[in-house]
Amino acid sequence: DVKVTQSSRYLVKRTGEKVFLECVQDMDHENMFWYRQDPGLGLRLIYFSYDVKMKEKGDIPEGYSVSREKKERFSLILESASTNQTSMYLCASSLYINQPQHFGDGTRLSIL
Amino acid sequence: GQQLNQSPQSMFIQEGEDVSMNCTSSSIFNTWLWYKQEPGEGPVLLIALYKAGELTSNGRLTAQFGITRKDSFLNISASIPSDVGIYFCAGRGNTPLVFGKGTRLSVIA
Repeated sequence: DVKVTQSSRYLVKRTGEKVFLECVQDMDHENMFWYRQDPGLGLRLIYFSYDVKMKEKGDIPEGYSVSREKKERFSLILESASTNQTSMYLCASSLYINQPQHFGDGTRLSIL
Repeated sequence: GQQLNQSPQSMFIQEGEDVSMNCTSSSIFNTWLWYKQEPGEGPVLLIALYKAGELTSNGRLTAQFGITRKDSFLNISASIPSDVGIYFCAGRGNTPLVFGKGTRLSVIA
């Protein structure tokens, strides 16, 4: 079974802090994704990566950046956290871009 | 960008009833996926559809890829309490997956 592990289930940070959310997958998948999930809005794609050191913007990249230095790890960075970034963040991976994505259990981030 | 309309937004049903939910898109998709998310967990893939007209079952769940390639539905037969959760459709055309906003299912025993 594919295992996508997000480093924290819950995280509380302060406005203006730099925040790192980490995601690791163990199935040698080429593609990794970061989404945020908000009530009534579903899942919205922030960034994705189709290879090491490669990244593409999703639908809502503003205020975020990503890093993929190794194939198994995809990090989401909030450069200067703001309260409107309080949300559930979900990481996913897939072997090929047209294959189903496998999700981690999410990180619930609160920005105070 | 591509839009997905998923309905209904929420459902309250009696245990044993059948459930139906659907998604429609503004553009043609090559892939339709259905996920379920339980509280405190990430979405889990239920069914994947890759061909127009395809009908696929997974236990009590059945999903179909619409002939027009712009819609898909998911049926759950004889619902049980553990069916509770949020069901998401997702579709893919020439871009990464687009997700519906989810159908929240509640089952009353």
